Amino acid sequence: GDSVTQMEGPVTLSEEAFLTINCTYTATGYPSLFWYVQYPGEGLQLLLKATKADDKGSNKGFEATYRKETTSFHLEKGSVQVSDSAVYFCALGENTDKLIFGTGTRLQVFP
Amino acid sequence: GAVVSQHPSRVICKSGTSVKIECRSLDFQATTMFWYRQFPKQSLMLMATSNEGSKATYEQGVEKDKFLINHASLTLSTLTVTSAHPEDSSFYICSATLGRVAGYNEQFFGPGTRLTVL
Repeated sequence: GDSVTQMEGPVTLSEEAFLTINCTYTATGYPSLFWYVQYPGEGLQLLLKATKADDKGSNKGFEATYRKETTSFHLEKGSVQVSDSAVYFCALGENTDKLIFGTGTRLQVFP
Repeated sequence: GAVVSQHPSRVICKSGTSVKIECRSLDFQATTMFWYRQFPKQSLMLMATSNEGSKATYEQGVEKDKFLINHASLTLSTLTVTSAHPEDSSFYICSATLGRVAGYNEQFFGPGTRLTVL
C-alpha cells in the first residue's frame, strides 16, 4: 500500500541555518503531496502542497518539489527562525481524500 | 477561517468507562470529518471517515463497536471510546473538510484530545 517515510528527528539547528527534512513516498497512482506543521499545543496546519510531478510548493519561506523520479518531496528552508520550531509531517493524498502521514520530524531551532 | 475545535483537550478515566470526544467545525460546514489516532513518536493513523447523516467508514483493524462515531450535523462529530482500557490511551485528532475545491479537499485539523485510561 501507499506509504510515506520521513527522516527521524529531532533536527536541531541554530537560527539562520539551512533546513532540509527528507521525505520519500510509495504510491500506486499519482498522489498529491503535502507538508503539515504542528506547533506546540496546536492542530496540524497545511504548510504547502504539490499536486503533480515537478510542482514546487512554497509558503513562509519553506519549499518542496514533487520529484517523481526519486519519489521524494523534501522540505527546505534557507534560513530558519526560532519560531519555526515545530513538528513537520509529510503526507500524501489520493482520490479518496484520505491522507497518509509520515511519522513526523521535530525541528528545534535555537537562537 | 476554517477552525476546528475538540473537546475535551485532556481526559483521564478509569478502565471500563466510556469517553466521548467532540469535534466541531466552528466557522464552516464540514461535509466530511476524519478521526485519527497518534501514538508517541508515531504517525497519525486514520481510524475512520464520517459523513453527516451516514454511518462512518472504519479503517481496517479499527473496532467499530469500540470506537463509536456519530456525525449528527455538518458542524459536529463525536468519537466515543467505549469500555476504555489502558491500551486505548492515545492522542486523538479530528479533521474536517469543506469539500473539493479545485480538485483538492483540504483537511483542517483540531488540536487533539489526550486520553489517559488508568
